[in-house]
Amino acid sequence: LAKTTQPISMDSYEGQEVNITCSHNNIATNDYITWYQQFPSQGPRFIIQGYKTKVTNEVASRFIPADRKSSTLSLPRVSLSDTAVYYCLVGDTDSNYQLIWGAGTKLIIKP
Amino acid sequence: GAVVSQHPSRVICKSGTSVKIECRSLDFQATTMFWYRQFPKQSLMLMATSNEGSKATYEQGVEKDKFLINHASLTLSTLTVTSAHPEDSSFYICSARPLAGLAKNIQYFGAGTRLSVL
Repeated sequence: LAKTTQPISMDSYEGQEVNITCSHNNIATNDYITWYQQFPSQGPRFIIQGYKTKVTNEVASRFIPADRKSSTLSLPRVSLSDTAVYYCLVGDTDSNYQLIWGAGTKLIIKP
Repeated sequence: GAVVSQHPSRVICKSGTSVKIECRSLDFQATTMFWYRQFPKQSLMLMATSNEGSKATYEQGVEKDKFLINHASLTLSTLTVTSAHPEDSSFYICSARPLAGLAKNIQYFGAGTRLSVL
């Protein structure tokens, strides 16, 4: 299973765009990249997933370059409620799709 | 859509008792369910993977006789912590992977269960 590397923490301000980058140098051909958000004492919440290029939904955008060795989660115009831990994970959908959770990125949004 | 219900949300029990945690996928069928444990300020640790109708696969270091998992249907999995001790106190989270469709690549999580063993 591919290992991911993310910054431990990031700070930003309300209204700014935040980009969180995740490295996964040994990603396999069948691996998908998924981003989750977790608030304290809650289960993780799915944000976005993709295989390559760019995907956008009502919450965020995700960009994966052609070599797929990294992924960037982009949160437009963040608010205080976006303060959370964000996890980047890779997994093979052909298996049981186990996910190995890294430390995640603790994002703190300031007023 | 894709809602996973986990119950109870919080349990406080005496040492030596057993605690059962339920995980239900409310609006989809789940081919696979996962059980995680999370200690304060740490990431999620996978405990076991369960497929409907078969025995769970436990991660290394997780005692299968202590953490009993039953996955009786495509919408329900249970985790029983047997003879709980204070060191079992943690935040337990389940997730479910949809049976079919594009969403089968995604795990949907319950809200978690805070277990405190006195």
